[in-house]
Amino acid sequence: EPEVTQTPSHQVTQMGQEVILRCVPISNHLYFYWYRQILGQKVEFLVSFYNNEISEKSEIFDDQFSVERPDGSNFTLKIRSTKLEDSAMYFCASRGRDSTDTQYFGPGTRLTVL
Amino acid sequence: EDQVTQSPEALRLQEGESSSLNCSYTVSGLRGLFWYRQDPGKGPEFLFTLYSAGEEKEKERLKATLTKKESFLHITAPKPEDSATYLCAVHPYGGSQGNLIFGKGTKLSVKP
Repeated sequence: EPEVTQTPSHQVTQMGQEVILRCVPISNHLYFYWYRQILGQKVEFLVSFYNNEISEKSEIFDDQFSVERPDGSNFTLKIRSTKLEDSAMYFCASRGRDSTDTQYFGPGTRLTVL
Repeated sequence: EDQVTQSPEALRLQEGESSSLNCSYTVSGLRGLFWYRQDPGKGPEFLFTLYSAGEEKEKERLKATLTKKESFLHITAPKPEDSATYLCAVHPYGGSQGNLIFGKGTKLSVKP
């Protein structure tokens, strides 16, 4: 069964460093998303991406964040200068063009900023 | 403001003891309501999508129902492997490409 994959599973970085989180969405999907979940809190929407551009972004997704689909399979989230409060699980999700609107999530990347 | 509230926060059941989880939502218009299961340290795993009041979906021991203001996830004769956090999320009308609004989840523990 097709699934969303994410790498790395765990990333540890120093405050102020840049990190890139990688995702491979389900192959025939067209809509891509990043969410984050701070420990013990809700899953929160960050950004949606369609047709090679950002469709919508939340207040969390400020100038320190960017997304890219560098080729036909990968979808990345970059944080330019990490802060302690960026420590969280980051989930990638994708959705097909069918009518169900269902988003399928990856296993997540745990980001720890020291 | 669009909002999703889940109750209870935690639920402990004995194996075989049926119960229900609640998801109340406030949105300007509902395009879809989703139930996910999340195991510790893992991503949300899709369970059900509901679109209109009165709709029901079933999968094994789980059944999801929807009214105009809330959804229920009924668990019949649960087993220990059903232990997980169950997340409810809504896709409101007006969201351009479907960003979901999640509740905090209900952590279910099923003891043998």
